[in-house]
Amino acid sequence: AQTIHQWPVAEIKAVGSPLSLGCTIKGKSSPNLYWYWQATGGTLQQLFYSITVGQVESVVQLNLSASRPKDDQFILSTEKLLLSHSGFYLCAWSLGTNTGQLYFGEGSKLTVL
Amino acid sequence: QQKVQQSPESLTVSEGAMASLNCTFSDGTSNNFRWYRQHSAKGLEVLVSIFSDGEKEEGRFTAHLNRANLHVSLHIREPQPSDSAVYLCAVTNAYKVIFGKGTHLHVLP
Repeated sequence: AQTIHQWPVAEIKAVGSPLSLGCTIKGKSSPNLYWYWQATGGTLQQLFYSITVGQVESVVQLNLSASRPKDDQFILSTEKLLLSHSGFYLCAWSLGTNTGQLYFGEGSKLTVL
Repeated sequence: QQKVQQSPESLTVSEGAMASLNCTFSDGTSNNFRWYRQHSAKGLEVLVSIFSDGEKEEGRFTAHLNRANLHVSLHIREPQPSDSAVYLCAVTNAYKVIFGKGTHLHVLP
C-alpha cells in the first residue's frame, strides 16, 4: 500500500533561520508531487508541483524553493524564514498525465517567531 | 487565473438533515472537480470526484456539476456529528489544483 510521510510534524523557528520540510512517498512509482501551504484560517494554496525527478514547477513562490532529489522525495526549503511563512504545509501526490485525485500527507505545522 | 469561491462560509445542520454546499469557478475549461474534507489542521480526504456535467454519488456524498453555470455542489445525505469539518472544493487545470476557502460544516446531534 502507498504511504506518504511528512517531516517534521511541527517546527518552531526564528525569523531569518533556514527551513527544510520533507515528504516521502512509498509504494508508487513516478508520482506527481505537490506542495501546498495554508495560513491559519486561510485558503489552501498550491506552491509547487513536480512531474519527474529533478523538475519542479513554481505556482506561487512565497520566497520558498522546492526540489525533487529522488523519485519518491519532495523537499521544501528556504534560506531565511519570514513571519509570513507560518502556517500548515501539506505534501500531496497523484498519478497520471492529467491530474487525478490528490492524496495528502498529514502536514507540517510551522510557527515562525 | 482560476478563481474558486465557496458558499456558505459556515453551515449548521441537525443530524440526519441534508447538507448542501456550493462552489463556483471562473474557468469552465477545467479538467475535473473534487470535494475534499479537512478535520482541524490535518490532511485532506477526498469525498467525490466529478468530470462531466450531471451527478456523481459516493456513499452519502453526491456532487452535481454544471459547467455552463460554472457551478458544482455537494450534498451530504444523513450527516452525522462526525461529518463536522471543513469542506473544500477543488478545481483542476492540468497540474494546478485550485481550492476554495471552504465551508465549515457543523452537524448537531
